[in-house]
Amino acid sequence: NAGVMQNPRHLVRRRGQEARLRCSPMKGHSHVYWYRQLPEEGLKFMVYLQKENIIDESGMPKERFSAEFPKEGPSILRIQQVVRGDSAAYFCASSPGRENTGELFFGEGSRLTVL
Amino acid sequence: TQLLEQSPQFLSIQEGENLTVYCNSSSVFSSLQWYRQEPGEGPVLLVTVVTGGEVKKLKRLTFQFGDARKDSSLHITAAQPGDTGLYLCAGGLRGNTPLVFGKGTRLSVIA
Repeated sequence: NAGVMQNPRHLVRRRGQEARLRCSPMKGHSHVYWYRQLPEEGLKFMVYLQKENIIDESGMPKERFSAEFPKEGPSILRIQQVVRGDSAAYFCASSPGRENTGELFFGEGSRLTVL
Repeated sequence: TQLLEQSPQFLSIQEGENLTVYCNSSSVFSSLQWYRQEPGEGPVLLVTVVTGGEVKKLKRLTFQFGDARKDSSLHITAAQPGDTGLYLCAGGLRGNTPLVFGKGTRLSVIA
């Protein structure tokens, strides 16, 4: 499967725990985006990364949230001390790079439930 | 403030009917995409339009980008139950800036 891979598909955490969501982009793609989706809502941009660099984190809360895309391995979205309001579907998308017209290829999402 | 407004928010129609959904903004976009998302899945790209006035056809789906590149429409002819899903429009403002999404139109086609 050469598509965007996200894991876990479902994650349950209690308030105060940490959530780690992983994303492996499509082969040959060097740009990764994280979006959050609430029920009956569209996708809200969180962060845009290239290998080892955060390009745009304007949509990510300043506290408790962090993201990385290391030289080797998947991109990780980390949420510390989760609260109930963090419950959502988190989607990762990738794109090939500067030559594209903004088209994104999405993974199937990670659904976080905070109890 | 929602940069891209989609209408209608919900649409329920009978199989065989035609429909149009809209995506509007006061901003100019360098490109605009339409995605379809099914429950429990990620959005899947349907089409990209980049030129003002551009019309693209994908089988029974017709996409149009407004002349001023501020709005777009999606028309489905003879809708089928398999067309059921959440239709999202997304715009690129410039370069590699992240796509901005509308809230979507949730379409239900009843057999």
